[in-house]
Amino acid sequence: DTAVSQTPKYLVTQMGNDKSIKCEQNLGHDTMYWYKQDSKKFLKIMFSYNNKELIINETVPNRFSPKSPDKAHLNLHINSLELGDSAVYFCASSQVRDPPNEQFFGPGTRLTVL
Amino acid sequence: AQKVTQAQTEISVVEKEDVTLDCVYETRDTTYYLFWYKQPPSGELVFLIRRNSFDEQNEISGRYSWNFQKSTSSFNFTITASQVVDSAVYFCALSEAKNYGQNFVFGPGTRLSVLP
Repeated sequence: DTAVSQTPKYLVTQMGNDKSIKCEQNLGHDTMYWYKQDSKKFLKIMFSYNNKELIINETVPNRFSPKSPDKAHLNLHINSLELGDSAVYFCASSQVRDPPNEQFFGPGTRLTVL
Repeated sequence: AQKVTQAQTEISVVEKEDVTLDCVYETRDTTYYLFWYKQPPSGELVFLIRRNSFDEQNEISGRYSWNFQKSTSSFNFTITASQVVDSAVYFCALSEAKNYGQNFVFGPGTRLSVLP
């Protein structure tokens, strides 16, 4: 059983389009995250959702919007795609507590904007 | 603000050599957590270790060992007798306790190439 899954694995699209990436976790974790990894491998957190509430929103363009229908899912919707959005997007989940558990990552979605 | 620095962008070693990956962090919190993750060429991110700020004991797991020194704000990772399968990008990460793990900050990563 896959712990954190993402679809699609690859996404190629034209500038200006709107696209979504789906993420599901079956670990029963209460917090999910989206990260962006650029071509230089920098990993930057974009969002996290805890119990369906957005708790971190880094300085990302408002063209990016996370949507969480329930605590097992956190989808990423991107409007008006730009060339600079090309990257690998990782979903992750963890159980928030003290001490914090490690984050479990999905396999990533490679987004290419043409 | 929290920050993680991995000064070594790329390291190449020959199989069976020992290699140490450096990690230096910044935080104003007295309670925090440090992590190492591995990203092999296949792209997935694999958790390796978590260490809290109150536990400065070094840890060994097989060929892997970690040296945590609060005095120098470092959490270095050593691979003994490296193997080709160790080739990957390794990330050090920091989470402050006040955020209860809700905000991980990753270092820029060190790309390790182990040559046969």
